[in-house]
Amino acid sequence: NAGVTQTPKFRILKIGQSMTLQCTQDMNHNYMYWYRQDPGMGLKLIYYSVGAGITDKGEVPNGYNVSRSTTEDFPLRLELAAPSQTSVYFCASITGSGNTIYFGEGSWLTVV
Amino acid sequence: QKEVEQNSGPLSVPEGAIASLNCTYSDRGSQSFFWYRQYSGKSPELIMFIYSNGDKEDGRFTAQLNKASQYVSLLIRDSQPSDSATYLCAVKEGDNFNKFYFGSGTKLNVKP
Repeated sequence: NAGVTQTPKFRILKIGQSMTLQCTQDMNHNYMYWYRQDPGMGLKLIYYSVGAGITDKGEVPNGYNVSRSTTEDFPLRLELAAPSQTSVYFCASITGSGNTIYFGEGSWLTVV
Repeated sequence: QKEVEQNSGPLSVPEGAIASLNCTYSDRGSQSFFWYRQYSGKSPELIMFIYSNGDKEDGRFTAQLNKASQYVSLLIRDSQPSDSATYLCAVKEGDNFNKFYFGSGTKLNVKP
C-alpha cells in the first residue's frame, strides 16, 4: 500500500518563484489536508478538502492555493514564494471514522 | 482561533521511569483528542486517541482526559530510549467533524 505520497521531498525555491507540491492517496479517503510545520513548532492547517471539488481554508492559507479535481489528488500551489514559506509540508488524509490521520512523508521547502 | 497548548520541553526522564506529557485546549466543544509521536525528520504517527473523560490504556501508554478542565495528558510507563521523540497533542474541532488542531509538541528525552 502506497498510502499518501508527496513529491518532491526536497526543493529550494528562489523568492518570487512558484511551484506545486503534489499529493496523492490511494485509500479512497474523502478528507485531505495540507499542513505546514515550522522548526520546533506544531502543524498548522493550510487548506483542507472534504471531497472532490470542495476545498476550504485552514489556519494559514495566505500565499497558497489548492484544487481537488479527483478523490486521489490534492496539489498545493505556492505562488510568489517568500522566505516565510520555508517549512516542512505534510499532506494527509483521513479514514471514514475520522480518527486516524495518514500523513505523507513530508516535503522540505526552502525559499532563498 | 482554536488553541492547543503544550510545554515545549525538553522533558528528560531516566530509562524505566514514567513520562508525563500535558496538553490544554481552548475549544470546549472539542470531542476527540489525539496523541502523535514524531521522530526528527519524520511524519507524525498516531499513538492513541481518547474521547471520553477518564483514562484509556494501550500497552505502556495511558491517555487521560478531563473535559471540565480542558486538559488531556499522556503517560508513558517504563520509558525507553526509543520513546525519545516529540509528542504532539491534537484536538478535533467540535463543530467541524474532521478539522484537527495541533499543539507545538513536547520533546521527550529518555536517558539510558
